Amino acid sequence: NAGVTQTPKFQVLKTGQSMTLQCAQDMNHNSMYWYRQDPGMGLRLIYYSASEGTTDKGEVPNGYNVSRLNKREFSLRLESAAPSQTSVYFCASRPRTGDNSPLHFGNGTRLTVT
Amino acid sequence: RKEVEQDPGPFNVPEGATVAFNCTYSNSASQSFFWYRQDCRKEPKLLMSVYSSGNEDGRFTAQLNRASQYISLLIRDSKLSDSATYLCVWGTGTASKLTFGTGTRLQVTL
Repeated sequence: NAGVTQTPKFQVLKTGQSMTLQCAQDMNHNSMYWYRQDPGMGLRLIYYSASEGTTDKGEVPNGYNVSRLNKREFSLRLESAAPSQTSVYFCASRPRTGDNSPLHFGNGTRLTVT
Repeated sequence: RKEVEQDPGPFNVPEGATVAFNCTYSNSASQSFFWYRQDCRKEPKLLMSVYSSGNEDGRFTAQLNRASQYISLLIRDSKLSDSATYLCVWGTGTASKLTFGTGTRLQVTL
Protein backbone atom coordinates (compact mmCIF):
# COMPACT_ATOMS: atom_id res chain seq x y z
CA ASN A 1 0.00 0.00 0.00
CA ALA A 2 1.88 3.07 -1.30
CA GLY A 3 -0.37 5.75 0.26
CA VAL A 4 0.37 9.14 -1.34
CA THR A 5 2.99 9.17 -4.09
CA GLN A 6 4.57 12.35 -5.44
CA THR A 7 6.83 12.80 -8.43
CA PRO A 8 9.42 14.07 -8.97
CA LYS A 9 11.30 14.12 -5.67
CA PHE A 10 13.65 16.89 -6.79
CA GLN A 11 13.50 19.45 -9.58
CA VAL A 12 15.54 22.46 -10.65
CA LEU A 13 13.91 24.96 -12.99
CA LYS A 14 14.99 28.19 -14.58
CA THR A 15 12.82 31.26 -14.19
CA GLY A 16 10.00 31.15 -16.70
CA GLN A 17 10.00 27.40 -17.23
CA SER A 18 6.90 25.36 -16.58
CA MET A 19 6.39 22.02 -14.93
CA THR A 20 3.74 19.79 -13.39
CA LEU A 21 4.04 18.08 -10.03
CA GLN A 22 2.21 14.79 -9.93
CA CYS A 23 0.37 13.27 -6.98
CA ALA A 24 -1.55 10.02 -6.70
CA GLN A 25 -3.16 8.25 -3.75
CA ASP A 26 -4.38 4.68 -3.52
CA MET A 27 -6.44 4.99 -0.33
CA ASN A 28 -9.72 5.84 -2.09
CA HIS A 29 -9.71 9.27 -0.42
CA ASN A 30 -12.12 11.90 -1.65
CA SER A 31 -10.11 15.02 -0.71
CA MET A 32 -6.65 16.01 -1.89
CA TYR A 33 -4.43 18.98 -1.10
CA TRP A 34 -1.28 20.77 -2.19
CA TYR A 35 0.85 22.56 0.42
CA ARG A 36 4.14 24.37 0.22
CA GLN A 37 6.57 24.59 3.13
CA ASP A 38 9.14 27.33 3.53
CA PRO A 39 11.52 27.90 6.47
CA GLY A 40 9.76 29.67 9.32
CA MET A 41 6.44 29.76 7.46
CA GLY A 42 4.95 26.38 8.21
CA LEU A 43 2.77 24.59 5.68
CA ARG A 44 0.59 26.84 3.56
CA LEU A 45 -2.28 25.55 1.48
CA ILE A 46 -2.03 26.26 -2.25
CA TYR A 47 -5.08 24.47 -3.65
CA TYR A 48 -7.33 21.67 -2.59
CA SER A 49 -9.93 19.38 -4.08
CA ALA A 50 -12.71 18.42 -1.69
CA SER A 51 -13.95 15.75 -4.08
CA GLU A 52 -13.43 14.55 -7.63
CA GLY A 53 -14.46 17.27 -10.06
CA THR A 54 -13.96 20.21 -7.68
CA THR A 55 -10.97 22.40 -6.89
CA ASP A 56 -10.64 25.47 -4.70
CA LYS A 57 -8.00 28.04 -3.88
CA GLY A 58 -6.16 27.92 -0.63
CA GLU A 59 -4.03 30.52 1.09
CA VAL A 60 -1.35 31.01 -1.60
CA PRO A 61 -2.75 30.05 -5.05
CA ASN A 62 -1.10 32.72 -7.20
CA GLY A 63 1.23 31.30 -9.85
CA TYR A 64 -0.26 27.80 -9.66
CA ASN A 65 -2.97 25.76 -11.32
CA VAL A 66 -4.32 22.36 -10.40
CA SER A 67 -6.16 19.50 -12.05
CA ARG A 68 -8.10 16.75 -10.30
CA LEU A 69 -7.68 14.24 -13.08
CA ASN A 70 -9.68 11.52 -11.35
CA LYS A 71 -10.26 10.37 -7.79
CA ARG A 72 -6.68 9.17 -7.45
CA GLU A 73 -4.69 11.97 -9.05
CA PHE A 74 -4.25 15.66 -8.28
CA SER A 75 -1.58 17.59 -10.16
CA LEU A 76 -0.05 21.00 -9.52
CA ARG A 77 1.23 23.10 -12.41
CA LEU A 78 3.62 26.01 -12.43
CA GLU A 79 3.10 27.82 -15.73
CA SER A 80 6.01 30.24 -15.41
CA ALA A 81 8.26 29.43 -12.49
CA ALA A 82 9.66 32.22 -10.31
CA PRO A 83 12.41 32.10 -7.67
CA SER A 84 9.74 32.81 -5.02
CA GLN A 85 8.32 29.37 -5.82
CA THR A 86 11.45 27.66 -4.55
CA SER A 87 10.03 25.49 -1.81
CA VAL A 88 9.15 22.00 -0.69
CA TYR A 89 5.77 20.91 -2.03
CA PHE A 90 3.65 18.34 -0.25
CA CYS A 91 0.60 16.60 -1.57
CA ALA A 92 -1.84 15.19 0.97
CA SER A 93 -5.15 13.39 1.05
CA ARG A 94 -7.87 12.60 3.55
CA PRO A 95 -10.99 10.45 3.35
CA ARG A 96 -13.33 13.44 3.20
CA THR A 97 -13.76 17.00 4.41
CA GLY A 98 -16.08 18.07 7.17
CA ASP A 99 -15.07 15.47 9.72
CA ASN A 100 -12.14 14.71 11.95
CA SER A 101 -10.12 12.70 9.48
CA PRO A 102 -6.40 13.60 9.39
CA LEU A 103 -4.22 14.29 6.37
CA HIS A 104 -1.86 11.72 4.88
CA PHE A 105 1.18 13.22 3.17
CA GLY A 106 3.39 12.26 0.27
CA ASN A 107 7.17 12.43 0.53
CA GLY A 108 7.40 15.89 -0.96
CA THR A 109 8.97 17.52 -4.01
CA ARG A 110 11.94 19.84 -3.49
CA LEU A 111 11.80 22.52 -6.14
CA THR A 112 14.50 25.09 -6.81
CA VAL A 113 13.92 27.92 -9.27
CA THR A 114 17.03 29.77 -10.36
CA ARG B 1 -3.62 37.28 15.73
CA LYS B 2 -2.40 34.29 13.76
CA GLU B 3 -4.85 31.44 13.33
CA VAL B 4 -2.46 29.07 15.07
CA GLU B 5 0.51 29.99 17.25
CA GLN B 6 3.28 27.77 18.45
CA ASP B 7 6.51 28.45 20.32
CA PRO B 8 9.18 27.57 17.73
CA GLY B 9 11.67 26.43 20.39
CA PRO B 10 14.02 24.69 20.23
CA PHE B 11 13.26 22.79 23.39
CA ASN B 12 16.46 21.06 24.46
CA VAL B 13 15.77 18.34 27.02
CA PRO B 14 17.76 15.41 28.39
CA GLU B 15 16.72 11.87 27.67
CA GLY B 16 14.07 10.73 30.13
CA ALA B 17 12.67 14.20 30.73
CA THR B 18 9.04 15.23 30.41
CA VAL B 19 8.31 18.06 28.01
CA ALA B 20 5.12 19.86 27.04
CA PHE B 21 4.17 22.06 24.10
CA ASN B 22 1.17 24.30 23.71
CA CYS B 23 -0.55 25.58 20.63
CA THR B 24 -3.10 28.39 20.71
CA TYR B 25 -5.77 28.81 18.08
CA SER B 26 -7.97 31.78 17.31
CA ASN B 27 -11.12 30.29 15.80
CA SER B 28 -13.53 29.27 18.53
CA ALA B 29 -15.48 27.20 15.98
CA SER B 30 -12.56 24.80 15.61
CA GLN B 31 -13.53 21.18 15.99
CA SER B 32 -10.69 19.04 14.66
CA PHE B 33 -7.26 19.06 16.25
CA PHE B 34 -4.17 17.02 15.53
CA TRP B 35 -0.51 16.79 16.41
CA TYR B 36 1.88 15.91 13.61
CA ARG B 37 5.54 15.07 13.81
CA GLN B 38 7.99 16.15 11.12
CA ASP B 39 11.56 14.95 10.88
CA CYS B 40 14.15 17.04 9.09
CA ARG B 41 13.51 17.12 5.33
CA LYS B 42 10.65 14.61 5.62
CA GLU B 43 6.90 14.79 5.29
CA PRO B 44 4.68 15.45 8.32
CA LYS B 45 3.28 12.31 9.89
CA LEU B 46 0.24 12.06 12.12
CA LEU B 47 1.22 11.64 15.76
CA MET B 48 -2.24 11.73 17.26
CA SER B 49 -5.67 13.29 17.01
CA VAL B 50 -6.79 15.43 19.95
CA TYR B 51 -10.16 14.67 21.48
CA SER B 52 -12.23 16.90 23.71
CA SER B 53 -11.74 14.65 26.74
CA GLY B 54 -8.01 14.38 26.16
CA ASN B 55 -6.27 11.24 24.99
CA GLU B 56 -3.14 9.27 25.56
CA ASP B 57 -1.01 7.08 23.33
CA GLY B 58 1.86 5.49 25.19
CA ARG B 59 4.21 8.25 26.32
CA PHE B 60 2.21 10.95 24.54
CA THR B 61 -0.78 12.78 25.99
CA ALA B 62 -2.85 15.36 24.14
CA GLN B 63 -5.22 17.81 25.80
CA LEU B 64 -7.73 20.32 24.51
CA ASN B 65 -8.69 23.43 26.47
CA ARG B 66 -11.60 25.05 24.67
CA ALA B 67 -12.06 27.82 27.23
CA SER B 68 -8.52 29.10 26.70
CA GLN B 69 -8.36 27.94 23.07
CA TYR B 70 -5.23 25.86 23.16
CA ILE B 71 -4.14 22.28 22.72
CA SER B 72 -1.16 20.69 24.40
CA LEU B 73 1.15 17.77 23.83
CA LEU B 74 2.96 16.11 26.73
CA ILE B 75 5.82 13.71 26.10
CA ARG B 76 6.98 11.61 29.02
CA ASP B 77 10.28 9.75 29.29
CA SER B 78 11.72 11.49 26.21
CA LYS B 79 13.78 9.38 23.82
CA LEU B 80 16.49 10.50 21.44
CA SER B 81 14.17 9.38 18.64
CA ASP B 82 11.58 11.96 19.76
CA SER B 83 13.81 14.72 18.37
CA ALA B 84 11.71 16.33 15.63
CA THR B 85 9.44 19.26 14.92
CA TYR B 86 5.91 18.98 16.27
CA LEU B 87 3.14 20.67 14.32
CA CYS B 88 -0.29 21.44 15.68
CA VAL B 89 -3.16 21.39 13.21
CA TRP B 90 -6.76 22.46 13.46
CA GLY B 91 -9.85 22.69 11.33
CA THR B 92 -13.51 23.54 11.67
CA GLY B 93 -16.11 20.85 11.23
CA THR B 94 -17.28 21.95 7.82
CA ALA B 95 -14.13 23.55 6.44
CA SER B 96 -12.22 21.72 3.80
CA LYS B 97 -8.81 22.94 4.87
CA LEU B 98 -6.67 22.22 7.89
CA THR B 99 -4.42 24.97 9.25
CA PHE B 100 -0.90 24.21 10.43
CA GLY B 101 1.17 25.89 13.08
CA THR B 102 4.80 26.66 12.24
CA GLY B 103 6.00 23.92 14.56
CA THR B 104 7.93 23.46 17.78
CA ARG B 105 11.35 21.93 17.51
CA LEU B 106 12.37 19.37 20.13
CA GLN B 107 15.93 18.17 20.63
CA VAL B 108 16.45 15.33 23.08
CA THR B 109 20.04 14.87 24.21
CA LEU B 110 22.01 12.28 26.16
